Amino acid sequence: DTGVSQDPRHKITKRGQNVTFRCDPISEHNRLYWYRQTLGQGPEFLTYFQNEAQLEKSRLLSDRFSAERPKGSFSTLEIQRTEQGDSAMYLCASSFVYPVFTEAFFGQGTRLTVV
Amino acid sequence: EDKVVQSPLSLVVHEGDTVTLNCSYEVTNFRSLLWYKQEKKAPTFLFMLTSSGIEKKSGRLSSILDKKELFSILNITATQTGDSAVYLCAVDSLGPGGTSYGKLTFGQGTILTVHP
Repeated sequence: DTGVSQDPRHKITKRGQNVTFRCDPISEHNRLYWYRQTLGQGPEFLTYFQNEAQLEKSRLLSDRFSAERPKGSFSTLEIQRTEQGDSAMYLCASSFVYPVFTEAFFGQGTRLTVV
Repeated sequence: EDKVVQSPLSLVVHEGDTVTLNCSYEVTNFRSLLWYKQEKKAPTFLFMLTSSGIEKKSGRLSSILDKKELFSILNITATQTGDSAVYLCAVDSLGPGGTSYGKLTFGQGTILTVHP
């Protein structure tokens, strides 16, 4: 396993369209996270999963956003009816949490541009 | 709400200089502080600090945590152009039951530019 992988790397979409991103975490890790990063800012937490259970969602995650992790493996993040304000880098990360939290490993990110 | 503030926001130096990056935090139930380096792609892990006063070192990079004063510093000695990047500081906190959330709160980052 070479690390966290995300697909696609870049996505350009028209306002109002739906988009879906995929994340494949490091297989041994038991937690998966989604973050969003806009230009000049640090990543902001969106949501995380413990296996297939979504444990927490940030208030940044409006009703247009949905994340899933079927079977506790890969995860998808869908944005419906995209808006220009959704343009950002979407980062996925994974880590061990049990017995203790270790560093989170990040994927290369999906850069979304809404035109 | 957890808060992480980094300073300076940007820094321009010449190769060979030594730099110190600062990170202060306000976190409920602090567990650890992490430093990452980001070069236009995925943040890559540098250090995790959980105890005060114990320096972590990797080559020309070192970091230390002060849990009383709620800050950390990242030092880079003999800087090289390859050190040019955004350096991110993040904190992790404990949830109910004393286990880590693993949910990181990041600072804005320090943009380091090293000129030849």
